[in-house]
Amino acid sequence: QSALTQPASVSGSPGQSITISCTGTSSDVGGYNYVSWYQQHPGKAPKIMIYDVSNRPSGVSNRFSGSKSGNTASLTISGLQAEDEADYYCSSYTSSSTLGLFGGGTKLTVL
Amino acid sequence: QITLKESGPTLVKPTQTLTLTCTFSGFSLSTSGLGVGWIRQPPGKALEWLALIYWDDDKHYSPSLKSRLTITKDTSKNQVVLTMTNMDPVDTATYYCAHLTTVVNEIYYWGQGTLVTVSS
Repeated sequence: QSALTQPASVSGSPGQSITISCTGTSSDVGGYNYVSWYQQHPGKAPKIMIYDVSNRPSGVSNRFSGSKSGNTASLTISGLQAEDEADYYCSSYTSSSTLGLFGGGTKLTVL
Repeated sequence: QITLKESGPTLVKPTQTLTLTCTFSGFSLSTSGLGVGWIRQPPGKALEWLALIYWDDDKHYSPSLKSRLTITKDTSKNQVVLTMTNMDPVDTATYYCAHLTTVVNEIYYWGQGTLVTVSS
């Protein structure tokens, strides 16, 4: 099955807000509230930032928030900081496979 | 504290079989609801699921790679082994193992990853 669709890149200035989209289908993103978001810095393993569409794990800044509308999930980062510069991946449960799906990834540049 | 670490060759030749071992601590694969999965990431590219195995020996594979993958566990050693046959340069990637629950897309614990290069 195809990966979830994310923009290749987004950028923003410190203090601004950005939103990263993740588009799937009714068999994955749109059909279930099992969307997660991961942050990955160069050379590091991914870190979960959002689970179940909009929940933050303990220790994750409240500047990170998630939402979903139809077949598209979104990650919003407010009050951008230099340390937020990283790659971001969405992930969703899918009815087509036990393994789930990842998005193609979005590179966030903090200008 | 849950930790995982991947080990295996850093360089394999085309057509060879890759064997990677994930050694973990802080949990047991005899615990109901827990599993270990393998995910890879080619340089500069996206994450890709490979396979997972659960406490009850339930196994799942990527449909596109199923014919080449085998995942096994050794509960007594706290290890999970992934083998991938007929390696090709396009399989060059960082291979991660990860701690799983039944909600596979919520991964809180990852190994550090190991870069495997396929080249003659």
